[in-house]
Amino acid sequence: GEDVEQSLFLSVREGDSSVINCTYTDSSSTYLYWYKQEPGAGLQLLTYIFSNMDMKQDQRLTVLLNKKDKHLSLRIADTQTGDSAIYFCAEKRGTGRRALTFGSGTRLQVQP
Amino acid sequence: DTAVSQTPKYLVTQMGNDKSIKCEQNLGHDTMYWYKQDSKKFLKIMFSYNNKELIINETVPNRFSPKSPDKAHLNLHINSLELGDSAVYFCASSQVTGSQETQYFGPGTRLLVL
Repeated sequence: GEDVEQSLFLSVREGDSSVINCTYTDSSSTYLYWYKQEPGAGLQLLTYIFSNMDMKQDQRLTVLLNKKDKHLSLRIADTQTGDSAIYFCAEKRGTGRRALTFGSGTRLQVQP
Repeated sequence: DTAVSQTPKYLVTQMGNDKSIKCEQNLGHDTMYWYKQDSKKFLKIMFSYNNKELIINETVPNRFSPKSPDKAHLNLHINSLELGDSAVYFCASSQVTGSQETQYFGPGTRLLVL
């Protein structure tokens, strides 16, 4: 994931907002995704944003995209202990059938 | 349940053995993928099939051979297993609509080579 970077760890208190950041380098990215992985589990698609959008909101999740700076963030409002997991940012480069390029994941720890 | 499923969920085996991991999706998607997640949680694409045809083949040892008997199944066969093959292997499927594609992942197969 050297082309998609994330900070490794974030700790927040229950009820606070969490902001997980991601930077990418490829300007041909068309879609950017956020996946959640709970311990011992698979990858759950949380949300995605098309590269010509700058914001998308879905219940407690807000995705912000700064295409100029190639920066993506995921904000989780009112973070709960059940949100503790690893969050992966991923980009799809170009159109058509493409593999995703993943970041290294950010481990979110929510303290009661 | 509509999903991407993988078997087995856990696989512990000796070095040098040959093993297979199976993946099935009932989402009606036409494209399937295999990803490898290493011990540091780094995810990397290995293969992709579209309608039973190999379309992505990353730099993976040729001990790994994917097989797609139909577009709902993508299996991964690994010959002469090595210690470094220990990882979690994720299958995913997707359907492309215009430029939009969303990949759905299976629960993973945790492979441990002793």
